[in-house]
Amino acid sequence: QQQVKQSPQSLIVQKGGISIINCAYENTAFDYFPWYQQFPGKGPALLIAIRPDVSEKKEGRFTISFNKSAKQFSLHIMDSQPGDSATYFCAASIGSGTYKYIFGTGTRLKVLA
Amino acid sequence: DTAVSQTPKYLVTQMGNDKSIKCEQNLGHDTMYWYKQDSKKFLKIMFSYNNKELIINETVPNRFSPKSPDKAHLNLHINSLELGDSAVYFCASRPSGTGEETQYFGPGTRLLVL
Repeated sequence: QQQVKQSPQSLIVQKGGISIINCAYENTAFDYFPWYQQFPGKGPALLIAIRPDVSEKKEGRFTISFNKSAKQFSLHIMDSQPGDSATYFCAASIGSGTYKYIFGTGTRLKVLA
Repeated sequence: DTAVSQTPKYLVTQMGNDKSIKCEQNLGHDTMYWYKQDSKKFLKIMFSYNNKELIINETVPNRFSPKSPDKAHLNLHINSLELGDSAVYFCASRPSGTGEETQYFGPGTRLLVL
């Protein structure tokens, strides 16, 4: 119940294409869903986050789509650039108590120039 | 620079040794975390402190002991290091308050046990 399943494990996209990464969860108590971006040798950094009261959130080229009934959410990167090549993690947390993050297993994205 | 910082950045040591990793944040946050990232990049929570009080203690060998001298610092001491402890350890912090759920990560400490 505490797992967050992320797919695909790796993704290769052409420059200018759309990158899509999917996550699914079981625990309906989760109410905060961030996406983190991690470059090699660096710590994860928040990219964008959503709460379950909205179905979509967009920030620049990055969009989260959220499907509460299906317990799924996804990250879309529009006009993917070589500089977007990184590992992406979805996560889920409960907005009270410890605010513990449960991370997905990560997706290694490579955008070809 | 306002940030979460960790020292050392790299740590190479022999099996059986004891080592410490330090974390400091100058963001004014109340809650700090330790995560372990294994060779497959999987990120797993280990510990969390809120205002010097331990609030998360996951299933971690008791060779790992966190210590928070004040709310800006969270250190991790590891006794009797084993090969399987080789990983990247990340510290993170979060502001207090309802709705403040973003965690800010440090640059990581790469531990290699030989």
